[in-house]
Amino acid sequence: DAGVTQSPTHLIKTRGQQVTLRCSPKSGHDTVSWYQQALGQGPQFIFQYYEEEERQRGNFPDRFSGHQFPNYSSELNVNALLLGDSALYLCASSLTGSYTFGSGTRLTVV
Amino acid sequence: GEDVEQSLFLSVREGDSSVINCTYTDSSSTYLYWYKQEPGAGLQLLTYIFSNMDMKQDQRLTVLLNKKDKHLSLRIADTQTGDSAIYFCAELYNQGGKLIFGQGTELSVKP
Repeated sequence: DAGVTQSPTHLIKTRGQQVTLRCSPKSGHDTVSWYQQALGQGPQFIFQYYEEEERQRGNFPDRFSGHQFPNYSSELNVNALLLGDSALYLCASSLTGSYTFGSGTRLTVV
Repeated sequence: GEDVEQSLFLSVREGDSSVINCTYTDSSSTYLYWYKQEPGAGLQLLTYIFSNMDMKQDQRLTVLLNKKDKHLSLRIADTQTGDSAIYFCAELYNQGGKLIFGQGTELSVKP
């Protein structure tokens, strides 16, 4: 049984560009959350999707947006990239209190 | 408020027990979690405990929860060099949706 799958694993972008990260949840999980982990820090909640709707959002600007598809997979989009957006982006899928994380996408903004 | 606190470093000898501590703020948290992160990797769920439990044991791992003091601990018995990693405590905040993480405890196991 595949766990949470994220793509790509690594990405380098230039300031001002836009990026899309992808996540496939664990089989049977219907809720997807996204987290940003800066170097040396704990993950910070960006937002959560359930039934294709954004259910909850953390303290991130509108440049961060997302989508959930009918098959429960999800995308995270970041517009107008800043150097400070460089981080590990983690996707988690969940069902009844069990949260499983993917290996993350390492985004570097230059 | 939303705050989870952990000590930053712990160093133990191989074969000893490790105890990693965490305090949290949301008294209504339903679940509390321990995750392990190795260098360059994602988060691996080690164990989680429901808030109506005081203790949970899973092989070498023992989780203790003190709801009165909002204190969570993870004990690793017979610690091995492969246990060297960063360990994150997290609470499920405000009845669901959002995990609040501590800053992580770096565990170093010396042979």
